[in-house]
Amino acid sequence: AQTVTQSQPEMSVQEAETVTLSCTYDTSESDYYLFWYKQPPSRQMILVIRQEAYKQQNATENRFSVNFQKAAKSFSLKISDSQLGDAAMYFCAYRSGGAQKLVFGQGTRLTINP
Amino acid sequence: DTGVSQDPRHKITKRGQNVTFRCDPISEHNRLYWYRQTLGQGPEFLTYFQNEAQLEKSRLLSDRFSAERPKGSFSTLEIQRTEQGDSAMYLCASSPTGGASFETQYFGPGTRLLVL
Repeated sequence: AQTVTQSQPEMSVQEAETVTLSCTYDTSESDYYLFWYKQPPSRQMILVIRQEAYKQQNATENRFSVNFQKAAKSFSLKISDSQLGDAAMYFCAYRSGGAQKLVFGQGTRLTINP
Repeated sequence: DTGVSQDPRHKITKRGQNVTFRCDPISEHNRLYWYRQTLGQGPEFLTYFQNEAQLEKSRLLSDRFSAERPKGSFSTLEIQRTEQGDSAMYLCASSPTGGASFETQYFGPGTRLLVL
């Protein structure tokens, strides 16, 4: 079974600085998708960024970018110019190309210090 | 696009009672998913539907749990004879089967269940 590991339960960063959240996963498959979701306190989970495993180019969405290292099975999220609104739980998730369910990591709580 | 909605948002019940939650997906989304999230953890998959067909169920979904999507639109998740271990946030998500948002699941706000 696939597993997703987020080794940083908590992270903090100064406003306007850059922070990187780590995620590793275990799979024997070659076709899969990776996602980062953000869950603000008492609010619903929203997609931050996604990466298709067959794409070599790292995905970017404005201030958010990933470092996808397929051989190392690593999928880190970089947040540039951190803003107070970025404070949330961040979940890394894996989806097999042949299945529908998402497998989530344990989450990283990100705090932004003003 | 009004997003995924869930009702109720909060439910407190006594052990042994039955509860039912409702999820309304984004209107054009064929796929609908249920997840359970306990405090401080990531969501865990429970089950998913494509239209009205329930195509996958997790081992977490014991016999006391049943999910339906009778007309391929909204879905209900029922828990019979609730136990304290059922206390969690129950999340619903939906996704399209094509288009630019293909493969992305959109989550609702969740129903937080507390079993006393």
